Amino acid sequence: QVQLQESGPGLVKPSQTLSLTCTVSGGSISSGSYHWSWIRQPAGKGLDWIARIYTSGSVDYNPSLRSRLAISVDKSKNLFSLNLSSVTAADTAVYYCARDRDSLFDSWGQGTLVTVSS
Amino acid sequence: DIQMTQSPSTLSASVGDRVTITCRASQSISSWLAWYQQKPGKAPNLLIYKASSLESGVPSRFSGSGSGTEFTLTISSLQPDDFATYYCQQYSTYTKTFGQGTKVEIK
Repeated sequence: QVQLQESGPGLVKPSQTLSLTCTVSGGSISSGSYHWSWIRQPAGKGLDWIARIYTSGSVDYNPSLRSRLAISVDKSKNLFSLNLSSVTAADTAVYYCARDRDSLFDSWGQGTLVTVSS
Repeated sequence: DIQMTQSPSTLSASVGDRVTITCRASQSISSWLAWYQQKPGKAPNLLIYKASSLESGVPSRFSGSGSGTEFTLTISSLQPDDFATYYCQQYSTYTKTFGQGTKVEIK
């Protein structure tokens, strides 16, 4: 059974870049017809889809964040990564990585809280 | 973006109750709708996809219906493990969007 695990700093200063990695275990990131997504959830609020990467390297970005986003995949290490630049307090949230089955999120990481504060 | 609106925001119910949650889309999404369950401090869990298809391993007391702009999630007989927050998600368009959530709490 595939497992996902987010990692990265829990505290980022305003205007800096938030960088997270999602390590996939229990299966190859390249196997099957899956893609890989990032989703975030501000405290006490709903879920926001951030971006998706295909194992080909193609990406889909939420237009509201596109100018600040970069997502990449490292198939040799079975992981994918998220960079969100010029962060503000509004980017404070729990960030999840998820397996994306044609836009259905069927396996999730446990989530990692990222706080933007000086 | 397509806006997803859930009602009610909070629902109080007892074990054994039949529970229905509604999700409305701001424009037609055909049947491209999913439902997730989220417990405090945990990631969401996929329950239903394509409006009415039950995800593998999900108890049959969960069911979904609807198409176009109006959808429902029904729990036929609420169990203690079902007290959680439920989210709908549309995947009809490039930008996937979620409802704001419905919290099912103990009456």
